[in-house]
Amino acid sequence: NAGVTQTPKFRILKIGQSMTLQCTQDMNHNYMYWYRQDPGMGLKLIYYSVGAGITDKGEVPNGYNVSRSTTEDFPLRLELAAPSQTSVYFCASSSYNRDSPLHFGNGTRLTVT
Amino acid sequence: QKEVEQNSGPLSVPEGAIASLNCTYSDRGSQSFFWYRQYSGKSPELIMSIYSNGDKEDGRFTAQLNKASQYVSLLIRDSQPSDSATYLCAVNFRSNFGNEKLTFGTGTRLTIIP
Repeated sequence: NAGVTQTPKFRILKIGQSMTLQCTQDMNHNYMYWYRQDPGMGLKLIYYSVGAGITDKGEVPNGYNVSRSTTEDFPLRLELAAPSQTSVYFCASSSYNRDSPLHFGNGTRLTVT
Repeated sequence: QKEVEQNSGPLSVPEGAIASLNCTYSDRGSQSFFWYRQYSGKSPELIMSIYSNGDKEDGRFTAQLNKASQYVSLLIRDSQPSDSATYLCAVNFRSNFGNEKLTFGTGTRLTIIP
């Protein structure tokens, strides 16, 4: 049982480049989330999705885009990378109710220089 | 602005002692509360959830909730070196769907001293 899988694990981008962080889950969870975690900080929600075709902004969405064409996949797109987007990115999923625990992927460490 | 406050630590506790981690939150209407453990360089993992006032025990872990004081805590009994990690408090501020209003504190770094 793979759970939540994120790729890549590490990436270095130059300012202005774009990239897509991949996330897939095999638990048939409806809800999926993208968080970023800056050093010494808690997790901040970037975008979330309540099901295929439905996405919405979280607390810090600027500079990012998402799509959800299938239940399994929830990619995060950075269009014009900026140093402020240097962070660790976590994808997570949860099942149908608000008390369900989050299942996290292993994270992507992104550096923008 | 919904807030979850934690003492960032580090908190150092001798092996075998009780570690006490505290968290306060700003919204009285919050309904569910979670403690996640995060080892250095790893992703968070859920260790406790609590929804009602009082204590909830799971092995060496006890979560305590006091909604009137807007306070939630985590006690770790018989602390082990493997408990050394950052503990994140998370509060669900009346989500409509899943965890879209789940707000995390900045975490408390706990070190267990052998």
